[in-house]
Amino acid sequence: QQPVQSPQAVILREGEDAVINCSSSKALYSVHWYRQKHGEAPVFLMILLKGGEQKGHDKISASFNEKKQQSSLYLTASQLSYSGTYFCGTEGRDNYGQNFVFGPGTRLSVLP
Amino acid sequence: EAQVTQNPRYLITVTGKKLTVTCSQNMNHEYMSWYRQDPGLGLRQIYYSMNVEVTDKGDVPEGYKVSRKEKRNFPLILESPSPNQTSLYFCASRKRYEQYFGPGTRLTVT
Repeated sequence: QQPVQSPQAVILREGEDAVINCSSSKALYSVHWYRQKHGEAPVFLMILLKGGEQKGHDKISASFNEKKQQSSLYLTASQLSYSGTYFCGTEGRDNYGQNFVFGPGTRLSVLP
Repeated sequence: EAQVTQNPRYLITVTGKKLTVTCSQNMNHEYMSWYRQDPGLGLRQIYYSMNVEVTDKGDVPEGYKVSRKEKRNFPLILESPSPNQTSLYFCASRKRYEQYFGPGTRLTVT
């Protein structure tokens, strides 16, 4: 039941845009996005809730299609500091707050 | 400073020797969990706890135990470690929407 992320890896030049996708086979209550830099702990970016509510990072946007159980993270005008591995995490409608499942991650490299 | 701490940060041990990884948070969060991170697999939840004395299995609980006697502490116990438990372990505590992760514990079982 691990969500699927695509692409697995992406390389960008500074200033370019990227989209990272996350999809689940089960009905979702929420989708969370985290970024992990090499050698560090994951850091919360944002959460998207059923019904359209979003909370999180000012400079990163995301969408959540409840019917398709899909979410996309939009990184615009990327900066060197955006490099890292991005994980989506999901909670099902029937187990909010309980079992939390992360995707395998998308490695993003931003080059100067 | 609000934080989640883990100890030890690095540990090399031998098969079968019981060990405990401690986790503590100072944010008064009710929800805490343990994850292991392996290349290509992302973070997989081992156990979680929704409050004191309330724990439940995540996706990969085999070979692990936890306890939650106080709100701030959530230790991870490996009673008989095996080489397939070599991994990077993260403890996290959660407010309503956001999980705060500890710095990680890199465990090697030989």
